Order: sequence, then structure tokens, then C-alpha cells
Amino acid sequence: NAGVMQNPRHLVRRRGQEARLRCSPMKGHSHVYWYRQLPEEGLKFMVYLQKENIIDESGMPKERFSAEFPKEGPSILRIQQVVRGDSAAYFCASSRERSYEQYFGPGTRLTVT
Amino acid sequence: GESVGLHLPTLSVQEGDNSIINCAYSNSASDYFIWYKQESGKGPQFIIDIRSNMDKRQGQRVTVLLNKTVKHLSLQIAATQPGDSAVYFCAEKGDTGGFKTIFGAGTRLFVKA
Repeated sequence: NAGVMQNPRHLVRRRGQEARLRCSPMKGHSHVYWYRQLPEEGLKFMVYLQKENIIDESGMPKERFSAEFPKEGPSILRIQQVVRGDSAAYFCASSRERSYEQYFGPGTRLTVT
Repeated sequence: GESVGLHLPTLSVQEGDNSIINCAYSNSASDYFIWYKQESGKGPQFIIDIRSNMDKRQGQRVTVLLNKTVKHLSLQIAATQPGDSAVYFCAEKGDTGGFKTIFGAGTRLFVKA
């Protein structure tokens, strides 16, 4: 059973470009979570999604950031008009319905130049 | 607001010794706590969890202790090995009714051979 998959693993964008980060949850998992991690810091919650629904987006900036988890395909975290401050590692986690236990992917390291 | 923090940002131990990593949390309503291990360049890996109706839980070489009176968590690693070198995060389940996880800042564990 494959774990949580994230791609790309590394992404370089110039200021003003768009970044798209993808996350495929573990088989049988219907919940996805996105976190951001700055160097030498803990993970900060961004958004929690079920299939076709955003359940909690309290940690996601109101502007430039959006997330989706369509009925088919991976979850996408989209950052428009990236700025240097968006440089970070973005981790996705997935879980079964009504389960507290989350499994994390390897992360996407975004660098904005 | 909610916060989870660690007392010691860096811990250095001799191989074979026991390690103790501490964590304080502020939300007395939290009912679930998790310890994660994060190796360089990887996503967090679940180590052990504990619910608020328990004081202690043991796994393989790891023990988590929960003191609700002082809102304190600890992770004990027995016979620490070089492979245990990593950053360790405590985390708590938020009280929003969803399943987002709030992470502390982390403790870096160095194991000296």
C-alpha cells in the first residue's frame, strides 16, 4: 500500500508566478490536510479537506492561496502570484474518515526566487 | 489561543542512554496528543499517541506520559540509537471539531555514538 504521495518534491518559481502542489492520499483515505513548515520550525496547519469539500481553512491565507480535493484525482494546493515569503516546505497528510491518525507525505519544497 | 511548545530545542544524548523530550500545551480541552519524528528532508512520522483519558502509553522503546494537571507531555526513548537522531514534535488535536493537528516547535535530538 503506497503512502501519501506528493509532487513535485522540489519546485522553483519566480515572484509573481503560480505554484501548484499535488497530494495523493493513501488508499482508503478520504481526508487530506495541508501544512506549511518554515526551516527550524514546526508545521502550521493550513487547510483540511474531504472529497469535494473544504472542512476547515482557518490556517490558510485569504488571498492567493486555494485548495481543492476533487472527486477524482489528487488534492491541489494552489498559490497564485508567489512571493519570497511563500518559500517553505508544504506537507500533505491523509487520514481515514473519523480517524485522528494522519500519515504524512514527503513534502514539496517551494523556493521563490 | 491554543499553543503547544517545547522546553528544550536541542537535546544531545549518548548512544544507549535514555532520552526524555518534554512538551507543554495550553489548551486544556485537547483530548488527543501525538508525537512525531521528522528526519531531515522527510515528512513527520507518527511515533505514538495518547488520549486525554490516559496517563501513560508504551510502545516499542518509547513511552509517552501525559500530566493533565500541569498540561505537560513527555516522550521517553529507551536505549537511544543513532537512528533516533531527528526532530521530534509534539502535537495536539485542535478543538474546532475537525481533525487538524497543532504542532509544537520541535526538539532536535542528537545521538552521540
